Amino acid sequence: GESVGLHLPTLSVQEGDNSIINCAYSNSASDYFIWYKQESGKGPQFIIDIRSNMDKRQGQRVTVLLNKTVKHLSLQIAATQPGDSAVYFCAETSPLTTDSWGKFQFGAGTQVVVTP
Amino acid sequence: NAGVTQTPKFQVLKTGQSMTLQCAQDMNHNSMYWYRQDPGMGLRLIYYSASEGTTDKGEVPNGYNVSRLNKREFSLRLESAAPSQTSVYFCASNGQGAYEQFFGPGTRLTVL
Repeated sequence: GESVGLHLPTLSVQEGDNSIINCAYSNSASDYFIWYKQESGKGPQFIIDIRSNMDKRQGQRVTVLLNKTVKHLSLQIAATQPGDSAVYFCAETSPLTTDSWGKFQFGAGTQVVVTP
Repeated sequence: NAGVTQTPKFQVLKTGQSMTLQCAQDMNHNSMYWYRQDPGMGLRLIYYSASEGTTDKGEVPNGYNVSRLNKREFSLRLESAAPSQTSVYFCASNGQGAYEQFFGPGTRLTVL
């Protein structure tokens, strides 16, 4: 799932299998790393985030892993379902104050296609 | 509670025309953002407003201006549209938590 320029990389997954989507980030000073899901024709939707002082966080059917040594982020989706077919983006950011945020830097995205 | 709303949903412009894209949020968020997304690409930040009264350039600000009209509203203006600005434009707002970033439905803009 690495960025390869102008065309979205595609991950084909069989229904029921686990998916792993990867992302390389650029700013080692970023405080938060976030995964979004974007379905066709819609805006991105928050999935899960992880703070820089953590290396793993679990949600419902999703797990995010953070490796700061190599600036790598991954999203694991357990038991992939047809409704998981979408484009997945990672993003990095930091808060400016307790209630305001700076830039969100998005990765290029990975298209996930779930096959029956 | 409508979240983030954007108007218009679709727009076709001729080269050189101007227009303003409107964005409003009803979640009392301080931070608001404008992104563009070209086909098969990720989101690129045009401008953002960390809080009411401030605006800052993002990755691709050329050809755009913004106004943070009040805490709710953040508009994006194209003064002289160019075909290279054909894209889908998303507005987003962020609350206190990183998980609180919400996106609008997008404006699909075509410049002929």
